[in-house]
Order: sequence, then C-alpha cells, then structure tokens
Amino acid sequence: EAGVTQSPTHLIKTRGQQATLRCSPISGHTSVYWYQQALGLGLQFLLWYDEGEERNRGNFPPRFSGRQFPNYSSELNVNALELEDSALYLCASSLSEENTIYFGEGSWLTVV
Amino acid sequence: AQSVTQLGSHVSVSEGALVLLRCNYSSSVPPYLFWYVQYPNQGLQLLLKYTTGATLVKGINGFEAEFKKSETSFHLTKPSAHMSDAAEYFCAVSGPYTGYSTLTFGKGTMLLVSP
Repeated sequence: EAGVTQSPTHLIKTRGQQATLRCSPISGHTSVYWYQQALGLGLQFLLWYDEGEERNRGNFPPRFSGRQFPNYSSELNVNALELEDSALYLCASSLSEENTIYFGEGSWLTVV
Repeated sequence: AQSVTQLGSHVSVSEGALVLLRCNYSSSVPPYLFWYVQYPNQGLQLLLKYTTGATLVKGINGFEAEFKKSETSFHLTKPSAHMSDAAEYFCAVSGPYTGYSTLTFGKGTMLLVSP
C-alpha cells in the first residue's frame, strides 16, 4: 500500500514568488495535515483538511493557504515567499475517525 | 493547551547500550502520546503510540515507551542500541477531544550511536 506521497521533492523559489506543494494521502484517508519543519523551529502545525474543508490552521499568516480536492489530495500554496519560509514541508494523513497520523517524505522549499 | 518537553537535544550511546529518550508533556485533557523517528532527509515514521489501556506500549524496531500519568512522562527506551537507530526522535501529544490536528511536537532529540 502506498504511503503519503509529496511533490516536488525539492523546490527553489525567489523571494516574492509563489510556491505550490502537493500531497496525496494514503488510500482511504480523508484527513490531510500540513506541517512546517524549519531549522531551529521544530515541527509547526500549518493546516488540517478533512472532507474537502479546512478544519483548523496553525499560527501562520494568510499567505499560507491550501485546499483539498474531491479525491482527498491536497495542495499547499505559499504566496509572497520570504526567506524564512525555507523549510521542509511535511504532509500527513489519517482516517477521520482514527488517531494516527502518517507522514510523507516532505518537500524541501528553498527561498533565495 | 498542550506542550511537550524533550530533555536533551542530543543523546549519545554506544552500540549495545540502553537507549533512553525523555519526554514530558502538559495536557489539560487525557493525552494521546506518540513517538516518531526521522532519518536524515526523510519524513517522520511512527514508532509507537499510546491512546488508552496498557501503559507500556511496544513499537517497531524494539522500542517501547511507558505512559506515567503521575509523572506526566512518556519516555522512550530500547534495551540495546544499534547503529541503525541513529536518527532524530520526536515526542508528540494530541487530545482526543480537541482533534488530532492539535498534534504538538517536542523539539526533538538526536540519537547518536557510536561503535
């Protein structure tokens, strides 16, 4: 069974540009989570989508946004990129009624 | 609010020695507790979890953890370290009533294993 898959693996963008990261959850999982792992800041919760709806977001500015598609895949958009947005972005998924979150390999975003 | 404290950003052990990674949590509701491992340039892999029931939880790769409510701790142990255990370990807490998006991570402990 395929795990959580993310693309691209690496992305380099210039300050001010927009970045889009994509995530496919484990088959059957309806909840998708996004976390940011920045150097020195640890793992920070970004967004939670379930059944196509945004259920919760962490303490991040509105330029971090996303959506979940009918097939439960998700994308994270980061607008007006800043240097400090450089991080590993981890996507995770779970069954709505289950409590275990499974993570993907992550997407490295570098802002120059 | 929930929080996790992992004591020691780095822990060094010799191959074959006991591994002990410490985790203390703060939660206003009965917690769900997790340990994840992250190998270099990879995502997080679930090692084990505690939700309810037996307080001693066994996970993959020979790791186990014990939930101690009185000490608000969930320390991770392994009787004998292997070189392949070298990685970063994260303790996390979430609440059954506030949703699993409130998975709060500790800052991680890097485990170094020497021959």
